[in-house]
Amino acid sequence: NAGVTQTPKFQVLKTGQSMTLQCAQDMNHEYMSWYRQDPGMGLRLIHYSVGAGITDQGEVPNGYNVSRSTTEDFPLRLLSAAPSQTSVYFCASRILAGGQLSTDTQYFGPGTRLTVL
Amino acid sequence: KNEVEQSPQNLTAQEGEFITINCSYSVGISALHWLQQHPGGGIVSLFMLSSGKKKHGRLIATINIQEKHSSLHITASHPRDSAVYICAVVWFGNQFYFGTGTSLTVIP
Repeated sequence: NAGVTQTPKFQVLKTGQSMTLQCAQDMNHEYMSWYRQDPGMGLRLIHYSVGAGITDQGEVPNGYNVSRSTTEDFPLRLLSAAPSQTSVYFCASRILAGGQLSTDTQYFGPGTRLTVL
Repeated sequence: KNEVEQSPQNLTAQEGEFITINCSYSVGISALHWLQQHPGGGIVSLFMLSSGKKKHGRLIATINIQEKHSSLHITASHPRDSAVYICAVVWFGNQFYFGTGTSLTVIP
């Protein structure tokens, strides 16, 4: 298994540009999520999905869109990049148990380091 | 929202020392995870705890549900243990809440 993969690893954008961060997992996990990690702050949830066709907002959703057309893929779209979105982005996945988040391991992708100028 | 606090923020140790990292949270939880983030940025899960104690190699994790506190211990520390250690709580089937991490440097 490849686990959770993310592309690209690094990206530089200009203010106002749009882009999509890709995330895929091959573990058939229902739950997928996007986090951002900023210096001095813990990982913060942007958006999450409990299955294909179902997405919801996390703690810091503004400026980001997601979709979940398949179990495997969960792309994160930046609509109009801003310097405040400079961050490291992590995608993660885990299983659901009976409709609730399992307390089992959460698997993280390698991260995407995004800089917005 | 569940507040998660870790201490210390930064820790430097000599190789071979016994290390303790602490995590406190404000609201009752269903589980607590300890994660390790390597200097290259990748995050891996070390432990999941809902009660008691777990051991894996030189790593030991404990949790006291009544006191809302967990500790991660590293015995006989080694330079390869240098990483950021992150505590995360799961709030009764809901989202994860993360601490800000403890940056550990082990000097040979």
